[in-house]
Amino acid sequence: QVELVDSGGGVVQPGGSLRLSCAASGFIFSNYGMHWVRQAPGKGLEWVAVIFYDGSKRYYVDSVKGRFTISRDDFKSTLYLEMSSLRADDTAVYYCTRDIRSTYFDLWGRGTLVTVSA
Amino acid sequence: EIVLTQSPGTLSLSPGERVTLSCRASQSISSANLAWYQQKPGQAPRLLMYDASTRATGIPDRFSGSGSGTDFTLTISRLEPEDFAVYFCQQYDRSPMYTFGQGTKLAIK
Repeated sequence: QVELVDSGGGVVQPGGSLRLSCAASGFIFSNYGMHWVRQAPGKGLEWVAVIFYDGSKRYYVDSVKGRFTISRDDFKSTLYLEMSSLRADDTAVYYCTRDIRSTYFDLWGRGTLVTVSA
Repeated sequence: EIVLTQSPGTLSLSPGERVTLSCRASQSISSANLAWYQQKPGQAPRLLMYDASTRATGIPDRFSGSGSGTDFTLTISRLEPEDFAVYFCQQYDRSPMYTFGQGTKLAIK
């Protein structure tokens, strides 16, 4: 079964850190660019970060640069997002998703909720 | 950055009606590098359309997309009860810097 399973969310204090994981199955993980997209409560979708299929390049939305790091372990078919210096406006459901040739996103995880609150 | 503006924000319609959703880009999008997603409450987005007018796998033919340049539309020819959801457009013309529209909610009248 082709799927992505996000995990690792939780409640964290401002300034804290968290690591999200996304386990892939049913497809050749190393063939795909992988992304994190987030959605604040009641809001729209915001693209956060991408790592190319071969891990050669990573890009981030300006608001998370220097605080978040995307990485992948192709042996474990797992995507990660290391988040540090978390702020209240990082509160959101975080989805991992895969792209088709650096274009649209055809497969999404169910999401994991990150709440930044004192 | 390409800003995508969707209109209207909310539409109240009845099953069986036809609806057209709009997505306008702040800059021209080449090669129709635009996708549409559907999201239901508590669920992840689902890909509906890519390259502006190509239906994703399993998407019924009552959904159609069109447009080029800065103006794109998603049309649902006859609304089914399961179509009431939020719809987002997304550009990948400036990949890897992707942006989404703010969404249009289809509500049951």
